[in-house]
Amino acid sequence: AQRVTQPEKLLSVFKGAPVELKCNYSYSGSPELFWYVQYSRQRLQLLLRHISRESIKGFTADLNKGETSFHLKKPFAQEEDSAMYYCALGGGGGYNKLIFGAGTRLAVHP
Amino acid sequence: DTGVSQNPRHKITKRGQNVTFRCDPISEHNRLYWYRQTLGQGPEFLTYFQNEAQLEKSRLLSDRFSAERPKGSFSTLEIQRTEQGDSAMYLCASSDTGQEEKLFFGSGTQLSVL
Repeated sequence: AQRVTQPEKLLSVFKGAPVELKCNYSYSGSPELFWYVQYSRQRLQLLLRHISRESIKGFTADLNKGETSFHLKKPFAQEEDSAMYYCALGGGGGYNKLIFGAGTRLAVHP
Repeated sequence: DTGVSQNPRHKITKRGQNVTFRCDPISEHNRLYWYRQTLGQGPEFLTYFQNEAQLEKSRLLSDRFSAERPKGSFSTLEIQRTEQGDSAMYLCASSDTGQEEKLFFGSGTQLSVL
């Protein structure tokens, strides 16, 4: 069965500290992984996708098929990074649907 | 274009009543999705449309739920005989051909069933 696990409900760090939001997935096929973010009072929006290998707002994520993980990292957290982060799994081509994890709230303190 | 629009923003109803939500996607997007989100959980897939065709429905979607997208533009989600367990945020999203994985979400409709 397709499943996404985000083990931490809350991650609290100080400004300038490194951040790693964990995501593990379960999928038998070739996965497509994404990170979506929801800032306070804003809509859920795409942050980045593994296939693009891009860095958005200083965040990167590497797909590790051996560990079935797609952790989101940033070397130096900023207060504006405070938000709810959701890892999402798509697969089977066509992006018919995304399976979301339960989310991790990142709180960056000054 | 203000993005994906959902109405109403909030809906309070009594158990057993029917409710209908509307979603207006971004105009050029041919895919439209409905998700449900409960407190402490991520969005849960309900169904999606490619133009006017409903191509997939979640097994979680009981027969009390029905969605339509009659002209391939806006969509409605109806819940009949609402139950307290239907209380949730109902999210609509749309995506464009060639970027199907980039979902643009609406603000959602918060349903409370008393």
